[in-house]
Amino acid sequence: DAMVIQNPRYQVTQFGKPVTLSCSQTLNHNVMYWYQQKSSQAPKLLFHYYDKDFNNEADTPDNFQSRRPNTSFCFLDIRSPGLGDAAMYLCATSRDLGQLDYFGPGTRLTVT
Amino acid sequence: AQSVSQHNHHVILSEAASLELGCNYSYGGTVNLFWYVQYPGQHLQLLLKYFSGDPLVKGIKGFEAEFIKSKFSFNLRKPSVQWSDTAEYFCAVNRVGADGLTFGKGTHLIIQP
Repeated sequence: DAMVIQNPRYQVTQFGKPVTLSCSQTLNHNVMYWYQQKSSQAPKLLFHYYDKDFNNEADTPDNFQSRRPNTSFCFLDIRSPGLGDAAMYLCATSRDLGQLDYFGPGTRLTVT
Repeated sequence: AQSVSQHNHHVILSEAASLELGCNYSYGGTVNLFWYVQYPGQHLQLLLKYFSGDPLVKGIKGFEAEFIKSKFSFNLRKPSVQWSDTAEYFCAVNRVGADGLTFGKGTHLIIQP
């Protein structure tokens, strides 16, 4: 049974057109993370929520925002996607900080 | 800034060969260490982790890793690989007190039958 679900799996958006990626979990984990992974690069942490507390990485562009309306769901909003934002976006969860227990399958974002 | 280095980006082995994938990190403080695996078409999953105690950690599917603090290393090993071990392997480090993990760029392992 899928425990971390990401929708959609593939997303195509136009340059500058806002896009929202979705992540949900059935694990009731406290922490939800968003990572960006570009081709042949390491996954890079964008931000995370510990419960309702939002933590932004210092180098995450302002163009990227996140929402966590409840324990199960977390959204990644890209306000004005640029060509450089094309990547795989990974959602992950954990019971506590400092580890990653489960990953979702990722959403591959293409910007045209 | 903390960094994680995986020296081999591509490794090709024959079945039954022994495997060692290197991982080094740059942070000098207390760390938690992880290896993740991504099989073709699947999502990342945890292979093993080290928090404290015995520096030799055993994970799933016959994998193990050894933490050598003096070398800032956490190399992944398997004595005899199988074709099904073909995957991308990522080393990751958490600096104790920090919230997230820093990943290496990954090693693409191909096992030839």
